[in-house]
Amino acid sequence: KAGVTQTPRYLIKTRGQQVTLSCSPISGHRSVSWYQQTPGQGLQFLFEYFSETQRNKGNFPGRFSGRQFSNSRSEMNVSTLELGDSALYLCASSLYPTSLISGANVLTFGAGSRLTVL
Amino acid sequence: EDKVVQSPLSLVVHEGDTVTLNCSYEVTNFRSLLWYKQEKKAPTFLFMLTSSGIEKKSGRLSSILDKKELFSILNITATQTGDSAVYLCAACPQGGSEKLVFGKGMKLTVNP
Repeated sequence: KAGVTQTPRYLIKTRGQQVTLSCSPISGHRSVSWYQQTPGQGLQFLFEYFSETQRNKGNFPGRFSGRQFSNSRSEMNVSTLELGDSALYLCASSLYPTSLISGANVLTFGAGSRLTVL
Repeated sequence: EDKVVQSPLSLVVHEGDTVTLNCSYEVTNFRSLLWYKQEKKAPTFLFMLTSSGIEKKSGRLSSILDKKELFSILNITATQTGDSAVYLCAACPQGGSEKLVFGKGMKLTVNP
């Protein structure tokens, strides 16, 4: 069973550019969550999608957006990149939303997309 | 605001040592606490704790939750170099705020 796949794994952008990251969840998983990981702040929640609907959003500016497609694949976009956006962006999938998290419904993470903004 | 605090933030030990990782939380409508291990990039699931006082165990790793004092510990006995990783603790609220709240992580280094 394939795990959570994130692309690209590494990318370098310059300030002001935009970036789109992709996440393919485990087959059958319908919930996708995105997290930003930095050394100073740890993992911070960005958003969660379930059945193409955004269920929750973290405290990030409107430059951060996302969406989910009918096949449960998800993308997140960051516009007008800033140096502080340099981070590891992790995607996690689960069968059901995290509000239904249980022993049978834990988050499985992908390897992440490492974004460097110069 | 919901928060999770892990301590210590980093620890260096020798193989064979026993380590205890601490995680305290302040979460509205707490439901469960999760531990993850992050070696390279992808955090991998270790334990989910929902009830106080019930130890979860997997090999040399064990964890317990205290819902009265709002903390959890993760114990690793007879540490090995393969235990070197960042250990993440996350609290899961129920109800309206559905997002997991993570601590900053604890970096464990096990030297041979």
